[in-house]
Amino acid sequence: QVHLEESGPGLVKPSQTLSLTCTVSGGSVSNTPYYWTWIRQPAGKGLEWIGRVYNNKDTFYSPSLSARATISIDMSKNQFSLRLTYMTAADTAVYYCARGYPFDSWGHGILVTVSS
Amino acid sequence: ENVLTQSPGTLSLSPGERATLSCRASQTIRGDYLAWYQQKPGQAPRLLIYAASSRATGVPDRFSGFGSATDFTLTISRVEPEDYVVYYCQQYGDPPVTFGQGTRLEIK
Repeated sequence: QVHLEESGPGLVKPSQTLSLTCTVSGGSVSNTPYYWTWIRQPAGKGLEWIGRVYNNKDTFYSPSLSARATISIDMSKNQFSLRLTYMTAADTAVYYCARGYPFDSWGHGILVTVSS
Repeated sequence: ENVLTQSPGTLSLSPGERATLSCRASQTIRGDYLAWYQQKPGQAPRLLIYAASSRATGVPDRFSGFGSATDFTLTISRVEPEDYVVYYCQQYGDPPVTFGQGTRLEIK
């Protein structure tokens, strides 16, 4: 059974860059037929897809975040990561990593707050 | 992008009643690649239905998905106490992936 776990800072200052990592256990992030995805959810609101990576070469991002988001795979650590630049208060949310299309496995989520 | 609209926003039902949740897409969903998720408070969403009508592993058979093209439905045949949470539809036919805004099922 695959397990995903997000890690990273819980607090980011405005204009800084957010870096989150999703560690995958019980399965490989490379050479598998799965997309690896980041999704976020502001408190009390719905789900927003950020983007996905496939075999570290094929990426696709939400049009609203494509200028600021980068998703990549670290095969040596069996992880994939999200980098989101120029953070603002509007980026405060729980960030989830997930596997597949559709998303059959999720991490528990990590709350990221943007505040000075 | 393909905009998904869920209705109703809130559905009030008594335990044992039948629940019908709707998801309408602004464009035809390629391959009927429409999924439904259940989200309990403080938890990540859980996949219930994929490809419009296929039940995910371990999902009780009271949950069923129907529909094609632009109109989809999630049905709970008899609502149980643990079903009173939020449900999202999601299309993954063409990127970007999009979600509906959610339907909250509440106790009447």
